[in-house]
Amino acid sequence: SQTIHQWPATLVQPVGSPLSLECTVEGTSNPNLYWYRQAAGRGLQLLFYSVGIGQISSEVPQNLSASRPQDRQFILSSKKLLLSDSGFYLCAWSVGQGANYGYTFGSGTRLTVV
Amino acid sequence: DQQVKQNSPSLSVQEGRISILNCDYTNSMFDYFLWYKKYPAEGPTFLISISSIKDKNEDGRFTVFLNKSAKHLSLHIVPSQPGDSAVYFCAVNPYNQGGKLIFGQGTELSVKP
Repeated sequence: SQTIHQWPATLVQPVGSPLSLECTVEGTSNPNLYWYRQAAGRGLQLLFYSVGIGQISSEVPQNLSASRPQDRQFILSSKKLLLSDSGFYLCAWSVGQGANYGYTFGSGTRLTVV
Repeated sequence: DQQVKQNSPSLSVQEGRISILNCDYTNSMFDYFLWYKKYPAEGPTFLISISSIKDKNEDGRFTVFLNKSAKHLSLHIVPSQPGDSAVYFCAVNPYNQGGKLIFGQGTELSVKP
């Protein structure tokens, strides 16, 4: 069966520090991978998506970047965190166009920038 | 320009009664419409979906209705249970967008015993 792992679950980082969040998928090949963020009191905002190794599309300009070094690994990074980067970060995967069931989400990372 | 809107940030319902969650969208180029349920500190989980060629889909206590002329989607939960208390997101799957989902802002449902 397919599973998605996301870590860490909680992170507190000072302003200006770097960030690396990792997401891995098991049990499927060539998934579409996504990073979403839920800011406090807001909906789910798509940050990045990837349809293959090394293929990254950015949805919104921001202080973050993403990389996909392996087929089932998706990394969200920042060189210098801002207070506005605080939020709940979610990784998700889908196969093909996502069809009628959309994505499977990871359990999320709560990032607090202080 | 928000393509998917959930205008009610919260909803409170008595246990056993019907919960109706609403969602409006702004264009017609969507293939599927989906509902997700999210508990605090967890990722959203898929609940139910409906194809753009249908107007109703039912799964147990959950029914999704699609009114294409009004560009309106709704989720009915009946009977509501305390365990249904969560944030519900509607989402749309646009045609030819590589499977990218667009989410609404979410509605927090509270089912009181």
